[in-house]
Formats: sequence, structure tokens, C-alpha cells
Amino acid sequence: GAGVSQSPSNKVTEKGKDVELRCDPISGHTALYWYRQSLGQGLEFLIYFQGNSAPDKSGLPSDRFSAERTGGSVSTLTIQRTQQEDSAVYLCASSKEAANYGYTFGSGTRLTVV
Amino acid sequence: LAKTTQPISMDSYEGQEVNITCSHNNIATNDYITWYQQFPSQGPRFIIQGYKTKVTNEVASLFIPADRKSSTLSLPRVSLSDTAVYYCLVGDPLGAGNKLTFGGGTRVLVKP
Repeated sequence: GAGVSQSPSNKVTEKGKDVELRCDPISGHTALYWYRQSLGQGLEFLIYFQGNSAPDKSGLPSDRFSAERTGGSVSTLTIQRTQQEDSAVYLCASSKEAANYGYTFGSGTRLTVV
Repeated sequence: LAKTTQPISMDSYEGQEVNITCSHNNIATNDYITWYQQFPSQGPRFIIQGYKTKVTNEVASLFIPADRKSSTLSLPRVSLSDTAVYYCLVGDPLGAGNKLTFGGGTRVLVKP
């Protein structure tokens, strides 16, 4: 597609439930990133995929968070046993090969854990 | 990764030039400087990137002095629609991790 697409745009879930967030990157972009943004705060890096290389998971806050990227395209971020502190906007971005080309971000998924 | 420091907020008026300076004293040789713009309820948008001297595009200019320890994003003749948060990032796009670190940004408010 023309841009990075994320779904759902909004998600409300109960504490303790699992959620899956989806990201469709721009076609041909080999790099894909997940960030998290809490209300009024900056962006927190979560995970990075580049081609067929092992993902950089250094930003994942706990083992409840995981992500995969199938076929080098679509990515899914999974949060297990959600907690209230997981409430945030989850942003996905993609870029050509490396960040030198600049990221293109999606509009994000607003997750609210009640 | 080099740490960046930028003002928390700035106010301006329509038609004025807005200059936002970012300090990055520990910038490394391979680091690039990148600026992003973020409107409410949207993801950040790439504005401009540079390594040294001056870079200009249709949106903004980026001034980088010879020592590269700071950079200034210049927005000419701002309008109300330029009200946003502006992030300064420093990193080596081809280095370990290949990820850019976002700080708190500068909240720019353009008034009529």
C-alpha cells in the first residue's frame, strides 16, 4: 500500500487478556520497527526487524511482549496478560533497508487496558 | 547512542521563522541527525536529515556547525498547521541496532 497500515486503530481490553496488534509496512521496505508512546511522552523503541536477520528485541519491556514478522512483510506485536501500564499508542514504522532513509510511521494502535 | 537535548516547548506566531536547536555533545563520527514532526493522534513524520553543514528541502532547513555538537531546525514562515511536536534524533543508521532513539521532543505552538 501507499503507507504503513496498522490495525486495529483502537483496542480496549481487560486486564489479563492477550492482544495482537498488526502492522502492514510499505511494500519493498525491508526494515520494520515497533515503538510505544505513552500519553504526552516520547517514543520508546520496542523491536526491530531487518530482512532475514534476527530481530533486535532489546527494547521489549518484559517477556509478555513478543513480535513476529512473517514473510518479511506483515508484523504482529503480541502482548500477553495485559496490564494497565501497557496502555499506550503502539506505533509501527518501516524504512528502506536502514533508518538512513527515514522511517514512515503508521497512525498507531491506541491500546487501553481496563 | 548520542543523547539529545532540546527545548520542551516554543511559542511562535503565523508567518514567523521558528528555529529549534538540539544539543548532541556526544555525537559519534558515523551518526546522522534526523528531525521528525508529530501531530496529535498521528505517527511521527520524517522532515529532514543531515550529516554536516546545511540541508534544505521544501519543508525545512537543517543547520549543522562544523563540530556537529548541535543542530538547528529552521521552519520558515510557519502557519497554524505547523503546531506539532518536533523530535531531534541522532544515530548511526548502519550501526549496531539500526534504530533511532526518540527523546521528549519540542512542542511548538503557532498562534494566530
